[in-house]
Amino acid sequence: NAGVMQNPRHLVRRRGQEARLRCSPMKGHSHVYWYRQLPEEGLKFMVYLQKENIIDESGMPKERFSAEFPKEGPSILRIQQVVRGDSAAYFCASSQESDYEQYFGPGTRLTVT
Amino acid sequence: KQEVTQIPAALSVPEGENLVLNCSFTDSAIYNLQWFRQDPGKGLTSLLLIQSSQREQTSGRLNASLDKSSGRSTLYIAASQPGDSATYLCAVMGPSNTGKLIFGQGTTLQVKP
Repeated sequence: NAGVMQNPRHLVRRRGQEARLRCSPMKGHSHVYWYRQLPEEGLKFMVYLQKENIIDESGMPKERFSAEFPKEGPSILRIQQVVRGDSAAYFCASSQESDYEQYFGPGTRLTVT
Repeated sequence: KQEVTQIPAALSVPEGENLVLNCSFTDSAIYNLQWFRQDPGKGLTSLLLIQSSQREQTSGRLNASLDKSSGRSTLYIAASQPGDSATYLCAVMGPSNTGKLIFGQGTTLQVKP
């Protein structure tokens, strides 16, 4: 059973470009979470999704950030018009149910130049 | 607002020692608590999940305890090994089954051979 997969592992974008981060949950998991780890800071919750639904986006910046988890395919975290402050490691996690263990992917390290 | 604190921020011990990592949270109304391990530049590995109704969980050389009333959890590592060197993170969910984890800043452990 493959774990949570994220791609790309490393992404470099220039200021103003768009970043698209993908996450494939573990088989059988229908709950997906995105977290961000800024340099020298702890992990912060961003958004919680189920298939075709956003359950909690209380940690998402109000502008430029969006997330989706379509009926088919991976979950996507999209950052429009990236700025240097978006440089961070973005982790995706999945679980069978919302109160079960969350399993994390290896992360996508975004660098904005 | 829930806050999670881990003390100490860093710990260095000789191989073979038993050690305790501490995690405290400000709101005792949690749903569950999860301990993770993070290796440099890598994702998170789930170690133990304790539901709010449980007092402890064990896995191999690891034992995690939970005292909700005092807002504390400890992770006990027996007979430490150099391979245990990593950052250990604790995260709480709650008070309800929200799916959202709130993380501490972590304790970076170094086990010297």
